[in-house]
Amino acid sequence: EAGVTQFPSHSVIEKGQTVTLRCDPISGHDNLYWYRRVMGKEIKFLLHFVKESKQDESGMPNNRFLAERTGGTYSTLKVQPAELEDSGVYFCASSQGLSRTQYFGPGTRLLVL
Amino acid sequence: GQNIDQPTEMTATEGAIVQINCTYQTSGFNGLFWYQQHAGEAPTFLSYNVLDGLEEKGRFSSFLSRSKGYSYLLLKELQMKDSASYLCAVIGSSNTGKLIFGQGTTLQVKP
Repeated sequence: EAGVTQFPSHSVIEKGQTVTLRCDPISGHDNLYWYRRVMGKEIKFLLHFVKESKQDESGMPNNRFLAERTGGTYSTLKVQPAELEDSGVYFCASSQGLSRTQYFGPGTRLLVL
Repeated sequence: GQNIDQPTEMTATEGAIVQINCTYQTSGFNGLFWYQQHAGEAPTFLSYNVLDGLEEKGRFSSFLSRSKGYSYLLLKELQMKDSASYLCAVIGSSNTGKLIFGQGTTLQVKP
């Protein structure tokens, strides 16, 4: 069974540009989470989807971040316009039904110059 | 506030036993996870504790004391491949599966 996949693995963009990150959860997992780790800090929660609905978006930093999960399968996280402080590793995780165990993808390393 | 503390770095010798501690202060508690993360890779699930006591899984064991807000991960018969970052994470509220992470403990296993 394929694990959580994320694309791209790395992205380098200039301040003010737009970047879209994609996450494909494990097939059949209704719950999808986005997290972020900035340099020197702990991994922090961004938001949680249950199928296509946003269950909790309390961790989204500001309105430059837009997450979608149309159709309840893969999800995208768009940053527009990107700022220097958005640099970090963006992780996606998924879990099945009521299970609390989340399975993580390898992350997208974003560098904003 | 919510706080998860674990040591930043640890060093141990191949074949030895190492214990990585984690203390937490969260509003609500619905379980504690340990993940292993090798550099540049995905965090991989090691253990989940929601009740007090010790859970053993092969060379790895995890302990939880909810009254003390304390957990540890015990790694036995250390191997070089165990060199990695070990992440402690708590689910606080029961309404969301949001994980609250510590900064991670980087373990270096030496020959």
